[in-house]
Amino acid sequence: EAAVTQSPRSKVAVTGGKVTLSCHQTNNHDYMYWYRQDTGHGLRLIHYSYVADSTEKGDIPDGYKASRPSQENFSLILELASLSQTAVYFCASSVNERLFFGHGTKLSVL
Amino acid sequence: GDQVEQSPSALSLHEGTGSALRCNFTTTMRAVQWFQQNSRGSLINLFYLASGTKENGRLKSTFNSKESYSTLHIRDAQLEDSGTYFCAAEAWSNNRIFFGDGTQLVVKP
Repeated sequence: EAAVTQSPRSKVAVTGGKVTLSCHQTNNHDYMYWYRQDTGHGLRLIHYSYVADSTEKGDIPDGYKASRPSQENFSLILELASLSQTAVYFCASSVNERLFFGHGTKLSVL
Repeated sequence: GDQVEQSPSALSLHEGTGSALRCNFTTTMRAVQWFQQNSRGSLINLFYLASGTKENGRLKSTFNSKESYSTLHIRDAQLEDSGTYFCAAEAWSNNRIFFGDGTQLVVKP
């Protein structure tokens, strides 16, 4: 089964600060994704990537940047964190469109 | 989400009983996945279907792309089945994957 690890597990950030969430996968999957989950809702796609050194916008990219320096690593960057970005963030990788998720990062912006 | 309507939003079952969760799609989907989000918040991939029916233990899922729905049947529910179940469907038009808002399942002794 795909192994996707995220760091940190949780983070408290201040409004206006920079936040970087990291994701690492060990199964040679081409596609990687960043989703956010708000309480009581499903997941929404922020950014994704299908090859190293390239990223694509998802459905809610505003306020986020992504970086894919290698096939294994995919980062999500909040340059200026805002209160509305408080959420749980999930990274996923996929093979043949089947998604495998990391355990999530709980981000609280104060 | 708008493209995926999941029902019911909440469900309570006694151990040993069963029920069905459903997702209706407002656009043509090429595949569906079902996930369980457990008490620790982890998302576990239960099924991936491009058509037809798959079964795994006490779980069975069906995807009818022509009629735009998918179901997840749980039988002989156990306490560890508690959690939130999400369906996610991939659209033919743009290959995007859309999630439903989930069904919160509580299994009681």
